[in-house]
Parts: sequence; structure tokens; C-alpha cells
Amino acid sequence: GAVVSQHPSWVICKSGTSVKIECRSLDFQATTMFWYRQFPKQSLMLMATSNEGSKATYEQGVEKDKFLINHASLTLSTLTVTSAHPEDSSFYICSVAGNSPLHFGNGTRLTVT
Amino acid sequence: GESVGLHLPTLSVQEGDNSIINCAYSNSASDYFIWYKQESGKGPQFIIDIRSNMDKRQGQRVTVLLNKTVKHLSLQIAATQPGDSAVYFCAENPLTDKLIFGTGTRLQVFP
Repeated sequence: GAVVSQHPSWVICKSGTSVKIECRSLDFQATTMFWYRQFPKQSLMLMATSNEGSKATYEQGVEKDKFLINHASLTLSTLTVTSAHPEDSSFYICSVAGNSPLHFGNGTRLTVT
Repeated sequence: GESVGLHLPTLSVQEGDNSIINCAYSNSASDYFIWYKQESGKGPQFIIDIRSNMDKRQGQRVTVLLNKTVKHLSLQIAATQPGDSAVYFCAENPLTDKLIFGTGTRLQVFP
């Protein structure tokens, strides 16, 4: 399966600032990547599907203007949490599609103070 | 909406015993199922998968059983070890690569 790298592994930011999380596919050309969010002791919830060279597809209830996704190359997708608030504190995980089974990055722990 | 759920939120077993983690899914159109293991602070790690044309698949110390009649999935871990302690998620794939995750079961292994 695809090797997926996320950066940073953890980040702390102040309320109102923006944070960018990177997801890299190291050994697979990824036209599609997925972004998930996981709150403590809960399951993974799909936020959006990142499509290389086109707009991301967001799941119902996920604000596209708040969670900006850019997928400009076949190896990199970025998720920017804009104007972060404490309720955005969560574990963000990406995965690479097209190389079954789906493999995941090691996640980014975001804490908004 | 469609959902995948688990019967037991926490499972405690003694080292060396076998573990069985269950999962119920609701989308009869799902044709691919995966079990993931997630350790604290890490992303999900693939364990084993099964397609709907099978009812059993075995890996190293793990077996997945699929019962399409009652839409039930189980993960069996033989000779459970302390390193197996983690949260286990089943996931179903009703659409291309788009996984729906279950609620998760925490497996605790005691010496």
C-alpha cells in the first residue's frame, strides 16, 4: 500500500490563526486523497475528498471556507484550518486513494488555545 | 444514514487468549470491508480486509469473518498479545475508496 506522510505531527495555535497540514504520498501518485477528523474516543469522520487539479469535495456539514484543501500535485495535499477555534482541536488524518487497501498517515494533533 | 457500528466499546482479554471483535454494518451494497488497528496518537493501521464474495479470510494470527445475511463482520485475534492492545475499527466501502468507519472497540490485554 501507499506510504503516507503527514506534517506536522502535532501543532498548537492560538484561536483565530490558520494552520496548514500537509499530506504526502511518498510512493504512489495520488489523484485522490481523503481527509478525516477524529475527536477523542470517537471514530474517524470523513471531512473531504481532495482531487488533484480540481476542487475538493466536502462532506455534509463541513465548511469548505474554513477547511481549505489544495491538491496541486500527485504527491501533496494540504488542509488549512482557517480562523481556528478551540472546537477545531482534533486529530486530522489523511489517506491516499487508488491503492487498495486505504493507507493512512500518522495524523496531526491540532490544539487551538 | 448508512452506518457501521460495533457491539462492544471495550474488550478485556488475558494474554494468550483469543479475542473476537464484532461489527455490524447497515449498507447491503458494501462489497469491501477492512479492519484497522489504531494505537494512541497514530493513524489507523491496516490489519486485514475481505470482499463480499468471501465469508472468511485468514492472516497471521487474525481471521475476518463476514456474514452478509445478517450484515455482520468479526475480527478474531489468536493468542492475543500485549502489543495487540489498541482500538480496532471496522470500515466498509460502499463507494470507491470512500470508507465509512465503525465506532471502534478498545482491546485491553492483561498479563
